[in-house]
Amino acid sequence: DIAMTQSPDSLAVSLGERATINCKSSQSVLHSSNSKNYLVWYQQKPGQPPKLLIYWASTRESGVPDRFSGSGSGTDFTLTISSLQAEDVAVYYCQQHYSSPFTFGPGTKVDIK
Amino acid sequence: EVQLVESGGGLVQPGGSLRLSCAASGFSFSSYAMSWVRQAPGKGLEWVSSISDNGGGTYYADSVKGRFTISRDNSKNTLYLQMNSLRAEDTAVFYCAKATTASCYAASQYWGQGTLVTVSS
Repeated sequence: DIAMTQSPDSLAVSLGERATINCKSSQSVLHSSNSKNYLVWYQQKPGQPPKLLIYWASTRESGVPDRFSGSGSGTDFTLTISSLQAEDVAVYYCQQHYSSPFTFGPGTKVDIK
Repeated sequence: EVQLVESGGGLVQPGGSLRLSCAASGFSFSSYAMSWVRQAPGKGLEWVSSISDNGGGTYYADSVKGRFTISRDNSKNTLYLQMNSLRAEDTAVFYCAKATTASCYAASQYWGQGTLVTVSS
């Protein structure tokens, strides 16, 4: 099974500042057949279901503000919120869909400082 | 507009069974893989199971393998999760989710609001 870790567990950032969340997989999730990283990022606000933000590690889902960006390859990935807004307060999860079981990271809680 | 509406949750005793349903609309249901993901109270997300577009491929988390069965009825645009031998640790909100493709090896693009399953005596 591929284990997913995230760091930090939580962070508080001032409005307009950058937030960076890291995600690491225990094995590479880069598929050699298509050179795609099977890694997604979700945002979950309190009382709501998760929302897809980023897929293929770096492709922004339609309608997602461009302050959200994903990067990384292989086993190390990063979600960056370039200028934190109040509505970005949420828990962020990474998930690998390279191999079953399709494991989630433990989540990173983002708050306003 | 894509809509996913889960139902069938509730209170069940340990060892009991429940069947969850997810009614889908707003897209060609038979063309997409579907998944169940759960979230215990105050905890993170846990992938439970996925099924391919035609039901030919199914995958399960080790924690539910042999107890839960995922299925779909493409004629009714409905996804199911049959849960047997329920344990206290199965208590969670269960979400159904639509994949971006027919394959289970895909991101979950749309999610329902979830249905709460409580396993307690």
